[in-house]
Amino acid sequence: QSALTQPASVSGSPGRSITISCTGTSSDIGAYNYVSWYQQRPGGAPTLIIYDVTNRPSGISNRFSGSKSGNTASLTISGLQTEDEADYHCSSYTTRSTLVFGGGTKVTVL
Amino acid sequence: QIILRDSGPTLLKPTQTLTLACSLTGTSVSATGRGVGWIRQPPGEALEWLAVIYGDDDTRYSPSLNGRLTLSRDTSKNLVILTMTNMVPLDTATYYCASTFYGDPRHGFDPWGQGAPVTVSS
Repeated sequence: QSALTQPASVSGSPGRSITISCTGTSSDIGAYNYVSWYQQRPGGAPTLIIYDVTNRPSGISNRFSGSKSGNTASLTISGLQTEDEADYHCSSYTTRSTLVFGGGTKVTVL
Repeated sequence: QIILRDSGPTLLKPTQTLTLACSLTGTSVSATGRGVGWIRQPPGEALEWLAVIYGDDDTRYSPSLNGRLTLSRDTSKNLVILTMTNMVPLDTATYYCASTFYGDPRHGFDPWGQGAPVTVSS
């Protein structure tokens, strides 16, 4: 199973919005609405911030939003804050009943 | 509050077998709908999904690991155990266990354990 494709890095100024893409295939992202996004701060474990493409778990800021079009999912962070500096990982369920992750994107707040 | 703690050896030699334990607090490993997955992350690299065990003991494994993985539960100790055979240096990574969100890995994993670093070297 090939990993999902994410940009290696994305940056933005405080208060602005950024979008991270996650591209898969018709066997994973395109097949179901089961895309998850995780935030991972340096030295820490990942935390779920988006599930089922668009949903936020309890306690996650509404500055995080998710969407999907075809085989590509996206995570948008609005009102960028310094605390948003982290690595972000996408994941999708697949038609083989397995899971696949993206390569991860490093977000830098300028 | 559900807390997961992963533990195991930090150093292995090539060809050895890795055994990692995931201890759950705040819930039972045998609770209906309680699934637990394992994910690893080589230093500076991406996350890689390894396996998941569902509440009904059904298991799914990453096809890329070619039959090297086995998941099991120890209900007496409230543990989920991951075994990986024939370890090689490329298996060097931090190994995380994580609870399935809403009981189903399709919805993702949350919370995660703190991670167990494993180095494979002769």
